[in-house]
Amino acid sequence: DAGVIQSPRHEVTEMGQEVTLRCKPISGHNSLFWYRQTMMRGLELLIYFNNNVPIDDSGMPEDRFSAKMPNASFSTLKIQPSEPRDSAVYFCASSDTKKRDRGTIYFGEGSWLTVV
Amino acid sequence: SQQGEEDPQALSIQEGENATMNCSYKTSINNLQWYRQNSGRGLVHLILIRSNEREKHSGRLRVTLDTSKKSSSLLITASRAADTASYFCATDPFLDYGKLTFGQGTILTVHP
Repeated sequence: DAGVIQSPRHEVTEMGQEVTLRCKPISGHNSLFWYRQTMMRGLELLIYFNNNVPIDDSGMPEDRFSAKMPNASFSTLKIQPSEPRDSAVYFCASSDTKKRDRGTIYFGEGSWLTVV
Repeated sequence: SQQGEEDPQALSIQEGENATMNCSYKTSINNLQWYRQNSGRGLVHLILIRSNEREKHSGRLRVTLDTSKKSSSLLITASRAADTASYFCATDPFLDYGKLTFGQGTILTVHP
């Protein structure tokens, strides 16, 4: 069974450029999360979706960040324009809130973003 | 802000020894979870303990939860070099959505 799939795994971009991170959640999962991990701030929840609907985007840093989930099998996190302080590892995760172990989330391997 | 606070921040032990990590949190929870992260990888779920449970085992892992003290501990027995990783506790204040808040983690190094 495939896990959460993220792309790209690594991206280096110049300040001001648009960055799009992609995520395919585990099939059948109905919740999707975007996290950001940095040494200074640890793991931060940016946004989460339930049944493709954004439930809480209070963690999105600013208007430069946007996330979409057009269908149950795909989500994007976009940064436009990117800044050096956006450099971090961005994790997508999914969960199935219908299961008994609801609450357990499954992480992708992350997208390592460097903005120079 | 981070809900869970792990202690210690770093732990260095020899293979075969036990490793204990602690987590404190601030608000009421439905469950508390422990995750592991190897360097350069995503987080992997280890164990979930519900608020009405006090202790749970999974292989070499033992987790305790004290809701009165708002604290949890993770014990890894008979550690191995392959256990070297960062360990995070995460609290789930919502029953339906699994919106977890992670602590800063404990870096565990197990020397062969």
